[in-house]
Amino acid sequence: KQEVTQIPAALSVPEGENLVLNCSFTDSAIYNLQWFRQDPGKGLTSLLLIQSSQREQTSGRLNASLDKSSGRSTLYIAASQPGDSATYLCAVSGANSKLTFGKGITLSVRP
Amino acid sequence: DTAVSQTPKYLVTQMGNDKSIKCEQNLGHDTMYWYKQDSKKFLKIMFSYNNKELIINETVPNRFSPKSPDKAHLNLHINSLELGDSAVYFCASSHGGGVAEQFFGPGTRLTVL
Repeated sequence: KQEVTQIPAALSVPEGENLVLNCSFTDSAIYNLQWFRQDPGKGLTSLLLIQSSQREQTSGRLNASLDKSSGRSTLYIAASQPGDSATYLCAVSGANSKLTFGKGITLSVRP
Repeated sequence: DTAVSQTPKYLVTQMGNDKSIKCEQNLGHDTMYWYKQDSKKFLKIMFSYNNKELIINETVPNRFSPKSPDKAHLNLHINSLELGDSAVYFCASSHGGGVAEQFFGPGTRLTVL
């Protein structure tokens, strides 16, 4: 059974800092990995999708990497801003397109 | 130009009632999903449909019955609502399964009193 872990559960950083959010998963037989952002009381916004054959994806100040063999992914946020404050969720796709989510990391960027 | 929409956004009801949540996507996708986010914010898949055919049915009580009238719609009907059904329900869609990116709706916050 796939399990996705995101540690720590919460993170507070000063504005401008570069930061790394970690995600680990137990079963390396995945199709892809998605990073999502969820603002309080809102839905999920897809940030980056990495296919199982890829190593990384970039979008603006975000860079996500995937090491399938070790069951790890990282989301790198450059020059963090208060507007980046949100919960970041990692999810892996397995058989039948089933997404298994981590519990998320709540990020607070202090001005 | 909403991609995945859900109605209603909020639903407050009494225990024992029957309610439905509707989902529509205009992305031309052929696969749709229902997820449940509990009070601890943990998201878990409930159902998945591909071309109106059920392909994922996690361990969900029989009181929950999804219905897909066509590829663009996936509704969720809940019978005999219980306190524990209170959660946020998210609909999502993708083009095919497996490697496809999933796009989520804004969620429906269900509160059972």
